Amino acid sequence: GAGVSQTPSNKVTEKGKYVELRCDPISGHTALYWYRQSLGQGPEFLIYFQGTGAADDSGLPNDRFFAVRPEGSVSTLKIQRTERGDSAVYLCASSLILLADTEAFFGQGTRLTVV
Amino acid sequence: AQSVTQLGSHVSVSEGALVLLRCNYSSSVPPYLFWYVQYPNQGLQLLLKYTTGATLVKGINGFEAEFKKSETSFHLTKPSAHMSDAAEYFCAVSDAEGAQKLVFGQGTRLTINP
Repeated sequence: GAGVSQTPSNKVTEKGKYVELRCDPISGHTALYWYRQSLGQGPEFLIYFQGTGAADDSGLPNDRFFAVRPEGSVSTLKIQRTERGDSAVYLCASSLILLADTEAFFGQGTRLTVV
Repeated sequence: AQSVTQLGSHVSVSEGALVLLRCNYSSSVPPYLFWYVQYPNQGLQLLLKYTTGATLVKGINGFEAEFKKSETSFHLTKPSAHMSDAAEYFCAVSDAEGAQKLVFGQGTRLTINP
């Protein structure tokens, strides 16, 4: 596709449930990033991948959060036992290579609401 | 650790007036600095970035920013505001050691008055 695609665009789930958020990066982009944006805040880093491996997952808040990128393209962010505090917009971005000065292209995000 | 402070969560200017959005950063190593814009229901879009070289950086839509190391600032300006500039603006910092691990400010919502 032309840009980074995230599905679903909106997700409402009950507290305690498991959710998966999907990210389709721009074709050919080897680096992929996940950020979380709470209401009224800037995005916060969660994890990034270079190819299939998680190069840095230091931003994941706890072990309920996990992300995979098995074939080096599509990535899934998984949240177990969701809590109301997990409600936020989850942003995915991709870049051609993993360098600090390389532009990252962001998707529109998935708005997760835990009720 | 890096951090970014954006002064003013809301800025309102008249159409045709100067736009000035303030950003100060903290970094222990030479920073890479970015401004992103987020229009309603759209993803973040890169406006401009500073990595090395010229400290005055020009971006899209007539925006520019100047890296001032002595002031640890990277303020965003536009000489004449347009109604279409109404959006949320985010300043972000990364560094060569941290790859593309962006640290964002809390954002500034820009409103343009007719």
